[in-house]
Amino acid sequence: DAGVIQSPRHEVTEMGQEVTLRCKPISGHDYLFWYRQTMMRGLELLIYFNNNVPIDDSGMPEDRFSAKMPNASFSTLKIQPSEPRDSAVYFCASSLAYSNQPQHFGDGTRLSIL
Amino acid sequence: AQSVTQLDSQVPVFEEAPVELRCNYSSSVSVYLFWYVQYPNQGLQLLLKYLSGSTLVESINGFEAEFNKSQTSFHLRKPSVHISDTAEYFCAVSGYNTDKLIFGTGTRLQVFP
Repeated sequence: DAGVIQSPRHEVTEMGQEVTLRCKPISGHDYLFWYRQTMMRGLELLIYFNNNVPIDDSGMPEDRFSAKMPNASFSTLKIQPSEPRDSAVYFCASSLAYSNQPQHFGDGTRLSIL
Repeated sequence: AQSVTQLDSQVPVFEEAPVELRCNYSSSVSVYLFWYVQYPNQGLQLLLKYLSGSTLVESINGFEAEFNKSQTSFHLRKPSVHISDTAEYFCAVSGYNTDKLIFGTGTRLQVFP
């Protein structure tokens, strides 16, 4: 039973470059969440989708960040242009509907912006 | 709206000693409660959850947590820890009919030999 799959696992790029993070949720899950984790700010919810529709993007830090979910099995988080302060671990998680269902996390993408 | 407080950012403990990781929450509605564990270089994994029924819930690796409604707490305990329990632990809450989990700031459990 495949879990949430994120790619790449590591990304190192220079400031100003476009970065695209990818996520494949667990099949059949209705919700998809994007989080960012840093030492300073902990775990932050950036945006989440229900049935491919963005529900709440209030956690997206700036217009440089965008997320899409073109279908039930794929989502992207894009940063353009990237800045050193975007360096963090980005997690994708998915869950079934209903608030009593746990979220299942991917192993994350460790992003370093030089 | 819900919120979660994990008062201890770090908990050092010797192997085979008991441990308690504290979690308090606030909510204006009934809640579901979760503990997640994060091992180095991995994502968060569900450790245990309280949905309803018995207020004491257990995980497969010896952790337990007790839902205390009057004290709005959901503390995590283990009577005897192992080196392999070294990880970060997150408490999380969701309200009935809400979409998202609210996570605490995490507690780093460090088990020493």
